[in-house]
Amino acid sequence: QKEVEQDPGPLSVPEGAIVSLNCTYSNSAFQYFMWYRQYSRKGPELLMYTYSSGNKEDGRFTAQVDKSSKYISLFIRDSQPSDSATYLCAMKGPNTGNQFYFGTGTSLTVIP
Amino acid sequence: NAGVTQTPKFRILKIGQSMTLQCTQDMNHNYMYWYRQDPGMGLKLIYYSVGAGITDKGEVPNGYNVSRSTTEDFPLRLELAAPSQTSVYFCASTRLANRETQYFGPGTRLLVL
Repeated sequence: QKEVEQDPGPLSVPEGAIVSLNCTYSNSAFQYFMWYRQYSRKGPELLMYTYSSGNKEDGRFTAQVDKSSKYISLFIRDSQPSDSATYLCAMKGPNTGNQFYFGTGTSLTVIP
Repeated sequence: NAGVTQTPKFRILKIGQSMTLQCTQDMNHNYMYWYRQDPGMGLKLIYYSVGAGITDKGEVPNGYNVSRSTTEDFPLRLELAAPSQTSVYFCASTRLANRETQYFGPGTRLLVL
């Protein structure tokens, strides 16, 4: 079983839609959860960072962590064509040393 | 700040050739990482460093070597290139006090033929 599972998509939505991106994980010790956005032929850039359970909101983006279900989500409200990218989840725990565990990424296209 | 920079952007190697992928960061970060990204496979950690003079293996270190003589630079060396090393390579760094967030470079695309 992979440490982190992420549906690769592709996901295609009309402009203005609400987008839900998800990851599941197997290691209950993970405490730090991140979402990265990666545009084509670019490096990943940090979008959201959450510690432990709960929600975090930043503009049109909301990150949710449900540790009891080992499930994290990223919601994008009022999606824009500029949100078209691959979204990677990543996570880490106090006992995982210096290694981050990444999902495979979900490809999102927002159609004008 | 330029952040994390990588050179070259793209390179074609023949089987058996060697090369060094360069990575430099100007943010005074102690932690630096090398990843490879293959289609549908996510990011795999090759090597990482917690400071100058200290390096350690990640998940997929075979066929690669690293060194860290300064805080700023973390080069990745391929000694005998193989087709399996065709990939996109990303360097990343983190601040010591905020190790949970990584800053990535733009990547180096490598094709081994």
